[in-house]
Amino acid sequence: DTAVSQTPKYLVTQMGNDKSIKCEQNLGHDTMYWYKQDSKKFLKIMFSYNNKELIINETVPNRFSPKSPDKAHLNLHINSLELGDSAVYFCASSPPPGTGGTEAFFGQGTRLTVV
Amino acid sequence: GESVGLHLPTLSVQEGDNSIINCAYSNSASDYFIWYKQESGKGPQFIIDIRSNMDKRQGQRVTVLLNKTVKHLSLQIAATQPGDSAVYFCAEITGNQFYFGTGTSLTVIP
Repeated sequence: DTAVSQTPKYLVTQMGNDKSIKCEQNLGHDTMYWYKQDSKKFLKIMFSYNNKELIINETVPNRFSPKSPDKAHLNLHINSLELGDSAVYFCASSPPPGTGGTEAFFGQGTRLTVV
Repeated sequence: GESVGLHLPTLSVQEGDNSIINCAYSNSASDYFIWYKQESGKGPQFIIDIRSNMDKRQGQRVTVLLNKTVKHLSLQIAATQPGDSAVYFCAEITGNQFYFGTGTSLTVIP
């Protein structure tokens, strides 16, 4: 069974469109994340979401918004897509701090290409 | 903000040799440090972690060393194999926030 799954794996869309990437985890974790990986492989945290507490990286444009319908899902909505949004987006989840686990589990990534 | 960086962006080693990947961090308050491996087309995968109150931790063919005095973390891979070719990231955890450094691309030469 896939621990963290995100869909779609590839997404090609035109500038100005609005798109969503879905993420689901079956690990029972309380904390989920969205990361953006650029062409130089740098992983930048965008959001973390823990028990309805959203922590936002202040550098993330407000065109990006996470939506969590329940604890197992954290979807990423992007409005008015721009060329610079092209990247690979990773969803991840981790157990709560202090529970003994430190590992964040990552999905396989969504390669977003804006044309 | 936090800053985690690697000294070398690329590293090439001969198969069978040992590999050492280095990482510098800036946040003395980090609770854990983790190494991740990312193969092409996949998400990062956990390799090994170390608590901030430890200096060394060993796994299968991997050893992580933590030098808090100089804020330096290293990953040693023994008897490097072709399957070890990947991008390696160090990450520091503060609270439940994971901060990743710039990756190092390891290429194993057969």
